Amino acid sequence: GESVGLHLPTLSVQEGDNSIINCAYSNSASDYFIWYKQESGKGPQFIIDIRSNMDKRQGQRVTVLLNKTVKHLSLQIAATQPGDSAVYFCAEVSISYNTDKLIFGTGTRLQVFP
Amino acid sequence: ETGVTQTPRHLVMGMTNKKSLKCEQHLGHNAMYWYKQSAKKPLELMFVYSLEERVENNSVPSRFSPECPNSSHLFLHLHTLQPEDSALYLCASSQERGNPQETQYFGPGTRLLVL
Repeated sequence: GESVGLHLPTLSVQEGDNSIINCAYSNSASDYFIWYKQESGKGPQFIIDIRSNMDKRQGQRVTVLLNKTVKHLSLQIAATQPGDSAVYFCAEVSISYNTDKLIFGTGTRLQVFP
Repeated sequence: ETGVTQTPRHLVMGMTNKKSLKCEQHLGHNAMYWYKQSAKKPLELMFVYSLEERVENNSVPSRFSPECPNSSHLFLHLHTLQPEDSALYLCASSQERGNPQETQYFGPGTRLLVL
């Protein structure tokens, strides 16, 4: 069946280090992926997206990598800061289905310690 | 601030109560969504509204009743809920539905506890 999952429920990193959050998906038809950040007491916030015709996309301090061969998605955060502490989850969808029904993962909690 | 507000932020209700959740978006969007977020579960899409018309209902029990009086407001009416309905209920909006590349902007959610 279709599923989006995360390898690690919690990731602890030291301030200043790089963080890598992983996500696996199983629907080969998915061609659009989004990373969200959810801070405590807030709703999810869009971070970055990538289409399946790309392998890599960079934003401000964040990079998303897509490996379609193994159906794997990762979010890299450079020079992790305390403000990056949050739950991160990925979402997948097939654009060709003309739907906005995103399939979300369960999330990885990122903890940044000094 | 995302431009999407939700009230109340916290709600405790008994199984026989009737309550309503309110969502308001100040972004001029045409699509609005209700999601349920339970602990250790993925976000679950409940309802989708486009231009005040319900376009999607993901097999949600009838004890949840949405209402969209205009494109800026969305309600979720609750009655005879069960303890397993306790969760964070998130509202979101986007410029238009059917296009997943239209970013969905989420409100802060209503934390619901059903006793």
